[in-house]
Amino acid sequence: DADVTQTPRNRITKTGKRIMLECSQTKGHDRMYWYRQDPGLGLRLIYYSFDVKDINKGEISDGYSVSRQAQAKFSLSLESAIPNQTALYFCATSDLSGPHNEQFFGPGTRLTVL
Amino acid sequence: AQSVTQLGSHVSVSEGALVLLRCNYSSSVPPYLFWYVQYPNQGLQLLLKYTTGATLVKGINGFEAEFKKSETSFHLTKPSAHMSDAAEYFCAVSFRSGGSYIPTFGRGTSLIVHP
Repeated sequence: DADVTQTPRNRITKTGKRIMLECSQTKGHDRMYWYRQDPGLGLRLIYYSFDVKDINKGEISDGYSVSRQAQAKFSLSLESAIPNQTALYFCATSDLSGPHNEQFFGPGTRLTVL
Repeated sequence: AQSVTQLGSHVSVSEGALVLLRCNYSSSVPPYLFWYVQYPNQGLQLLLKYTTGATLVKGINGFEAEFKKSETSFHLTKPSAHMSDAAEYFCAVSFRSGGSYIPTFGRGTSLIVHP
C-alpha cells in the first residue's frame, strides 16, 4: 500500500462549488504539505503543517483552506472553486527531524474547474 | 529573495548521450539541495540530495549532482541517457524561513530522450 494517498485522483467540478481534497499518510511524519502544479510553473506551496496544531500559509494560499484532522490526515478545501484553480494538486510529507529530510509525495489529484 | 532557477524547460537528448540538467539557487547561507523526478501520471520521488560533506552526490538510476558553492549550482548529470529517463525533473532547495526550513521548487525541466 502507498505511504501517501490522495482522494479523489480526478475531479471535475463547476465554478462556485466547494471541493475537498484529502490526504492520508502512514509514514508517521509530522510535517504535511499541499502543493499545486501548473505547466511551466513547477510546484507552488499552498499550505503546510508541522503538527496538528500548527498550520501555515504558503506562497499561494488565497482561495484555499486546510484542516489537519490528525497527524495522518491533511485536507485541502476550495470554498468556491474558480477555473484558474484547475491544476494538479499534490500532498507531501516529511520527517520533523531536520531540513535535510526529503519529502514523500502522493500520486496527485487532477482537478478541473469548469 | 531566495529562489531556485532551472535553465531550460525542455532538454532533448539521444539515447546514450550525456544528460545535463541545470539548477542554480540564490541563498546567503548554505542550503539543502534536492533533485526529484516525476514520471508521467505519478507523484515526485527523490533522486538525490546534498546536505553536508562530499559535494558530488550519487543518486538512483545512475544520476549524480555536484554542489558548487562558488557557482551556487547543483546541476544533475547522467553519463548515458536511457529511454526510461524521460520524465520531469525538479530541483528543490530548503531555505530557512523564520525558525523552519521550507522547500522551494524550481519550475521543472522535461527530459525528452530520442531513440
